[in-house]
Amino acid sequence: KNQVEQSPQSLIILEGKNCTLQCNYTVSPFSNLRWYKQDTGRGPVSLTIMTFSENTKSNGRYTATLDADTKQSSLHITASQLSDSASYICVVRRGGTASKLTFGTGTRLQVTL
Amino acid sequence: DVKVTQSSRYLVKRTGEKVFLECVQDMDHENMFWYRQDPGLGLRLIYFSYDVKMKEKGDIPEGYSVSREKKERFSLILESASTNQTSMYLCASRGQSRHTIYFGEGSWLTVV
Repeated sequence: KNQVEQSPQSLIILEGKNCTLQCNYTVSPFSNLRWYKQDTGRGPVSLTIMTFSENTKSNGRYTATLDADTKQSSLHITASQLSDSASYICVVRRGGTASKLTFGTGTRLQVTL
Repeated sequence: DVKVTQSSRYLVKRTGEKVFLECVQDMDHENMFWYRQDPGLGLRLIYFSYDVKMKEKGDIPEGYSVSREKKERFSLILESASTNQTSMYLCASRGQSRHTIYFGEGSWLTVV
């Protein structure tokens, strides 16, 4: 079954600290993997998209990694800010004509003073 | 900037009412989607459309229908709302050759 599992489910960190969010998937065949940030009560906003050949992609303080062999991705947030408090959703697109997206349930990050 | 606009942010409807959720995108995208988001379940695809007047069922189409009469507009219709359709509904769009999906701000529907 094509699935996307994210961990941890929730996380609390102090402002200024770094953190890493994990995403494991079983979707096959693989097309691409996306990380979205969703503020409370808002729609998700794209952070990064990674295809099979990309290992690392950065967007400011956000760095995503992809290991297509082990089917794992991580999102690293550097020097966290209060505005990073949000849910982070991992989304994997299946390859082929079906081209379906499978969403993880997200990691809820809270950055505190 | 791409803009996906959902006309209603918060709605409260009675059981059995017909509900329309409207979505408009301004980037001439071919593909449009309706998802619902519930705690602990992630986003689930209700319907999508890859062209005007074209529609395809997603994973949970039961109790819903859609309409795409114009390229920029994709409507979700609940023919007879039920309490288990209380949820956040997200509209999204994507260009044909693009990877990025752009989401609207969401519509919170409560059915009482």
